[in-house]
Amino acid sequence: QSALTQPRSVSGSPGQSVTISCTGTSSDVGGYNYVSWYQQHPGKAPKLLIYDVSERRSGVPDRFSGSKSGNTASLTISGLQAEDEADYHCCSYAGNYILIFGGGTKLTVL
Amino acid sequence: EAQLVESGGGLVQPGGSLKLSCAASGFSFSDSAIQWVRQASGRGLEWVGRIRSKTNTYATTYAASVKGRFTFSRDDSKSTAYLEMNSLRTEDTALYYCTGGSDYWGQGTLVTVSS
Repeated sequence: QSALTQPRSVSGSPGQSVTISCTGTSSDVGGYNYVSWYQQHPGKAPKLLIYDVSERRSGVPDRFSGSKSGNTASLTISGLQAEDEADYHCCSYAGNYILIFGGGTKLTVL
Repeated sequence: EAQLVESGGGLVQPGGSLKLSCAASGFSFSDSAIQWVRQASGRGLEWVGRIRSKTNTYATTYAASVKGRFTFSRDDSKSTAYLEMNSLRTEDTALYYCTGGSDYWGQGTLVTVSS
């Protein structure tokens, strides 16, 4: 199983929207509606934002939204805020009780 | 408040062994699967595997990169999960996290494999 493909970095200005993609195959992202997204600030443990493609974890602002089309899942952050600057990781179920992560994307708020 | 605390990391030579612990509190540990995730410095997250609950016969699943070398176990009476790592390689160097419950994470324990 190869890691899911994410852009190494994305950036946006405060108030703008950014979208982070997560590309897999029909054996993982495309085959199941079990994609999750994690936010990780430097030196901190990851924090779950989105699960089951588009379900927001309790307490997560509705500025964060998830979607999927084919083998690619996406995380969209609208109304960017300074505190959104972090690394973002996608994760997909890949069958046989196996999970697979993406390589992570660094979001810079300009 | 739910909490997971990893321990047992350290420096080990290639080919060596290490056993990590993950102590849980604040949630129903015995009903929860525990997953292990690692992160090499400056890299993304890598799923290591999971051990399920007693209800699910303590079933384990391992990532291909560690299968046959790593072993998960748990002691529900102590609310603690374990990751035993054998035949360690330099590429196993990473911060190891345990996660469980409603996606609670520990702060990780650092494993360094180097001669």
